[in-house]
Amino acid sequence: EAQVTQNPRYLITVTGKKLTVTCSQNMNHEYMSWYRQDPGLGLRQIYYSMNVEVTDKGDVPEGYKVSRKEKRNFPLILESPSPNQTSLYFCASGATNTEAFFGQGTRLTVV
Amino acid sequence: RKEVEQDPGPFNVPEGATVAFNCTYSNSASQSFFWYRQDCRKEPKLLMSVYSSGNEDGRFTAQLNRASQYISLLIRDSKLSDSATYLCVVTYNNNDMRFGAGTRLTVKP
Repeated sequence: EAQVTQNPRYLITVTGKKLTVTCSQNMNHEYMSWYRQDPGLGLRQIYYSMNVEVTDKGDVPEGYKVSRKEKRNFPLILESPSPNQTSLYFCASGATNTEAFFGQGTRLTVV
Repeated sequence: RKEVEQDPGPFNVPEGATVAFNCTYSNSASQSFFWYRQDCRKEPKLLMSVYSSGNEDGRFTAQLNRASQYISLLIRDSKLSDSATYLCVVTYNNNDMRFGAGTRLTVKP
């Protein structure tokens, strides 16, 4: 089954404690991306990757890191989370100019 | 100015109504266009692609106007199950996707 898998689905953490949200896709897509969704602001792109070892900043990259060492995985790293990073996060993957497939989302709360 | 702009709504319509959403985009190099549907707290899912010639899928019709840089979605004979947020999506630079903030639709009995 074609899918994008994010983990964890829910996470509550404390300010400053490093965390990683994993994202894995099984469709051999070159493109992967991370978004955060906040009420009234829609989906905002954090980082995206066009291929292995190629990553670029989206609209809101501050406070986040990513890596793309393999085609299937695109983890999102928060080195020192802060309360303003409390949000709903989505990972997506896609082939060129076709639909994107989304993970089920990760609801992160930073206290 | 946002790259992709949508009327946030909410649109509250009765069952059976026809409702239209518009979306404008600022990057003339945009390559592909889509409408996604998102149910509350769930991931967005593709509703339909949008082609220059316009396309229809059952009760849904999508149109693209490249000259004016806008995309539309028309829903006829609204059903309760159509209640969701509709996201306009524009891609450029080979799959870099940009989303509108979404338009919320509630269909009432």
